[in-house]
Amino acid sequence: GAGVSQSPRYKVAKRGRDVALRCDSISGHVTLYWYRQTLGQGSEVLTYSQSDAQRDKSGRPSGRFSAERPERSVSTLKIQRTEQGDSAVYLCASSFYRAWGYGYTFGSGTRLTVV
Amino acid sequence: QKEVEQNSGPLSVPEGAIASLNCTYSDRGSQSFFWYRQYSGKSPELIMSIYSNGDKEDGRFTAQLNKASQYVSLLIRDSQPSDSATYLCAVKDGSSNTGKLIFGQGTTLQVKP
Repeated sequence: GAGVSQSPRYKVAKRGRDVALRCDSISGHVTLYWYRQTLGQGSEVLTYSQSDAQRDKSGRPSGRFSAERPERSVSTLKIQRTEQGDSAVYLCASSFYRAWGYGYTFGSGTRLTVV
Repeated sequence: QKEVEQNSGPLSVPEGAIASLNCTYSDRGSQSFFWYRQYSGKSPELIMSIYSNGDKEDGRFTAQLNKASQYVSLLIRDSQPSDSATYLCAVKDGSSNTGKLIFGQGTTLQVKP
């Protein structure tokens, strides 16, 4: 498709379990970002990965969150040992660069509920 | 820690009025600024981008940037009920060569008929 798609749309996980969220981005977009949206803290970048499939844990909080690129246009956000505070909407965004600057395309998000 | 600050609101304006949304940022190296609109349960959509000091107008929307004051704003003229949404201010991390955005918390706008 022409946009960024995320799956699943909704996810319920038991506290302490690991979860994996998927993002299918647009071919040619180099960098994929994972953002977490919560009512209290707004949107914060968790991690991102570039086209050479490097993993980066530079977002916060680090450690339990990592992103992998099993394929060029696919990113998987892995959350280890989920906590109740991880309940949020997780947005994937891919960025591309043009002469006028950076553009971004967002997915519609995965709503994670940790119980 | 690089931050982007917005008043979370809600900001309530009557239909037809001007809505003014404000944002301040801490990273003096930032050069690219964005306003996104997000309806509940939907992904953010780009409304405006601005890179130079001054005003940039697009239809009913005007973005204003003042780098010296580290301030960016969005004005919505002739506000409509369909403008009711959360508006996210985003600043490109000035030290990042990958385009990483830093978002504010978002301002909820309510336009009352």
